[in-house]
Amino acid sequence: NAGVTQTPKFQVLKTGQSMTLQCAQDMNHEYMSWYRQDPGMGLRLIHYSVGAGITDQGEVPNGYNVSRSTTEDFPLRLLSAAPSQTSVYFCASRIGGGEKLFFGSGTQLSVL
Amino acid sequence: LAKTTQPISMDSYEGQEVNITCSHNNIATNDYITWYQQFPSQGPRFIIQGYKTKVTNEVASLFIPADRKSSTLSLPRVSLSDTAVYYCLVAPPNNNDMRFGAGTRLTVKP
Repeated sequence: NAGVTQTPKFQVLKTGQSMTLQCAQDMNHEYMSWYRQDPGMGLRLIHYSVGAGITDQGEVPNGYNVSRSTTEDFPLRLLSAAPSQTSVYFCASRIGGGEKLFFGSGTQLSVL
Repeated sequence: LAKTTQPISMDSYEGQEVNITCSHNNIATNDYITWYQQFPSQGPRFIIQGYKTKVTNEVASLFIPADRKSSTLSLPRVSLSDTAVYYCLVAPPNNNDMRFGAGTRLTVKP
């Protein structure tokens, strides 16, 4: 099992560019989520999904889109990157009724 | 969701026992208490979860008093490798809106 895999590990964007952060899990987990972590801060929930075709907003969803077409994948899209979106992004998953979140290794994003 | 309060930072020395307390005065009857550990440049990882009294595993112990308004994560005989941020989460089972606070930054010194 690879667990939760995030790509890329590092990315530099210019303001206004778009990109997709990829997240895949091979544990057949129903629940997946995205967090961002700014330097020295805790994690903030962006979006989450409880299964294919179902997504919902977290505490900081503005500027981000998600979709869940398969159980395995939960990509995060930045449509028009802004410097305020410079952060480390973590993807996580868990079984549907569980409490234990499994995290990926993160994507460090810089927007210039 | 229950609001949690933890110390922002703590220092300790190798070999000492470290206790990190989390306050959650408005914990609900069906809420569980979960702790995560995050090393630098890594995602958090689950440490321990409990509902009441005491839970122990190979990594830590979790003490929860009868009123459940606080909980204490206990790390026995810490080493330098226990330097990390520790997060306390309080939520009901199957909670989808899982939010982390700022956590407690533990620094273990030689």
